[in-house]
Amino acid sequence: GQNIDQPTEMTATEGAIVQINCTYQTSGFNGLFWYQQHAGEAPTFLSYNVLDGLEEKGRFSSFLSRSKGYSYLLLKELQMKDSASYLCAVRDSNYQLIWGAGTKLIIKP
Amino acid sequence: ETGVTQTPRHLVMGMTNKKSLKCEQHLGHNAMYWYKQSAKKPLELMFVYSLEERVENNSVPSRFSPECPNSSHLFLHLHTLQPEDSALYLCASSLEGSGTQETQYFGPGTRLLVL
Repeated sequence: GQNIDQPTEMTATEGAIVQINCTYQTSGFNGLFWYQQHAGEAPTFLSYNVLDGLEEKGRFSSFLSRSKGYSYLLLKELQMKDSASYLCAVRDSNYQLIWGAGTKLIIKP
Repeated sequence: ETGVTQTPRHLVMGMTNKKSLKCEQHLGHNAMYWYKQSAKKPLELMFVYSLEERVENNSVPSRFSPECPNSSHLFLHLHTLQPEDSALYLCASSLEGSGTQETQYFGPGTRLLVL
């Protein structure tokens, strides 16, 4: 079966750095997405990786290793507004998005 | 503002009621999706419409009935729901065949409570 694993919850301190991991086992691979979802709001697109390596966008970076079935989202200089759930999703060989259950990130002052 | 709107934002209904959820996208996309989001569970894809034709129906109970009258609008008709259908229903859209990553953009969702 297809599976996406990510931690259920993480806690970090304002101003610090946090890394949210995602591992996947899917039928084929056509890209990996990270979304941010604040409570009661729409998931919003953060990043897309299809080749191995690091993609950087301001305070957020996303890394992919296809051979390991592994990705992480790195958040730097954490702000209180970064408190949200972070969803990892992989597009499989049928171009279907397979979703993880999300990681709830709690930022403490 | 993601360019995808959903109404209503909140809905409480009894098991014998009939209601409809509405989604509208203003992004010029050609594919639309309905997802169910339950607490601590992955997003569940319910229906996909591409160029106004349904291309996916993931064994969703017949008490959920989608409708896509044009590429900008998507409905989910609900009837005789069960309490376990209580969840956040999310609509999304994407531009297929664009040669790029075909990112899905989401609406804010309808929080549904079935009593």
